[in-house]
Amino acid sequence: SQKIEQNSEALNIQEGKTATLTCNYTNYSPAYLQWYRQDPGRGPVFLLLIRENEKEKRKERLKVTFDTTLKQSLFHITASQPADSATYLCALHTGGFKTIFGAGTRLFVKA
Amino acid sequence: EADIYQTPRYLVIGTGKKITLECSQTMGHDKMYWYQQDPGMELHLIHYSYGVNSTEKGDLSSESTVSRIRTEHFPLTLESARPSHTSQYLCASAGTSGPSSGANVLTFGAGSRLTVL
Repeated sequence: SQKIEQNSEALNIQEGKTATLTCNYTNYSPAYLQWYRQDPGRGPVFLLLIRENEKEKRKERLKVTFDTTLKQSLFHITASQPADSATYLCALHTGGFKTIFGAGTRLFVKA
Repeated sequence: EADIYQTPRYLVIGTGKKITLECSQTMGHDKMYWYQQDPGMELHLIHYSYGVNSTEKGDLSSESTVSRIRTEHFPLTLESARPSHTSQYLCASAGTSGPSSGANVLTFGAGSRLTVL
């Protein structure tokens, strides 16, 4: 079955630097790959999605890449701010009506 | 404003009690979901619904049950709560129209944190 792997170690970076988070998946490449942000005690919030025929997608300070050969997506936050500190989840649609999630990577941005 | 609401946000109950977690959405979405999440762990799908009168079990076995009598309402019930049911329960919905409908992008509620003593 399809599985998603995200780095379980927290990422600590200095304010103003670029944060890069990795998402790897097994088996088949999904038609879409999504990224969500989750704050402690809250539900995830959708940020960006990228289609299998897109290499890169941008939204303000966020950038997502999608490499179907490597079965990997990278999520970048440029000019990071302390307010960006959260857990970032990678998700993909497995077909039908189901979306599965990785365990997420916790990001800490220090002022 | 279109949104998805969960109540209660926090619930502490004793073993053996029956509880219902409420979830309502105002977006007219056909698809609704319940995920279970433990701290620092991934979300596990426990129930989903394609529309009114449809319910399906998810990938993680759960002793809870759900119903979908109205489009906007998808409550989750535990007939007899146990300490192993202690977790965060997240409700979500997704639309079937629009440019991203094929991606099944989810809108989540704030969650219900359940503690069973």
